[in-house]
Amino acid sequence: GAVVSQHPSRVICKSGTSVKIECRSLDFQATTMFWYRQFPKQSLMLMATSNEGSKATYEQGVEKDKFLINHASLTLSTLTVTSAHPEDSSFYICSARVPLFRPEAFFGQGTRLTVV
Amino acid sequence: DQQVKQNSPSLSVQEGRISILNCDYTNSMFDYFLWYKKYPAEGPTFLISISSIKDKNEDGRFTVFLNKSAKHLSLHIVPSQPGDSAVYFCAASVSGNTPLVFGKGTRLSVIA
Repeated sequence: GAVVSQHPSRVICKSGTSVKIECRSLDFQATTMFWYRQFPKQSLMLMATSNEGSKATYEQGVEKDKFLINHASLTLSTLTVTSAHPEDSSFYICSARVPLFRPEAFFGQGTRLTVV
Repeated sequence: DQQVKQNSPSLSVQEGRISILNCDYTNSMFDYFLWYKKYPAEGPTFLISISSIKDKNEDGRFTVFLNKSAKHLSLHIVPSQPGDSAVYFCAASVSGNTPLVFGKGTRLSVIA
């Protein structure tokens, strides 16, 4: 199947600093990527839809100035958590679809962010 | 309002028996339904999907059944194996490059 690679898999940062998470589609072009967040024992909650060459679309309740998304190329989307706080600690996952060929979405490995 | 619901947070099954995981949805616009398997600290792995024009799709030990009138789908795993122990997410989507909508997941434990 299609491969989505996410980096880093784990990061610990201090409060007030920023963290960048990268999501790459390795063997296909993704005009759209999706960013999810998962709290412990909870579902995957969609944060935003990242569109190549244009602004991301954020879900209600997600602060766009805090979670900066950049989709600069057809194979790379980045999520930057700015001025991180302990409540931002979570598991972040990106995904992409190959809609013309497959109905399923492919997911990165996820990033465990811990803000101390 | 949750559009995809998995009402059983956990399920325990004996090895070799059938595991049945259930999922309900409310949005009649959904035209694809998918099941994902997830281990802690990893991204979800796609298992099987079904189009809304079908009522059954089978892939090895995994079968997904769709009842559109009841807005209900289920995943059957038979025979269940200890390696199947994980959290299973039901997801649904509308055609096109749209995000998947996930249920809360069901933790399956297959006991040897």
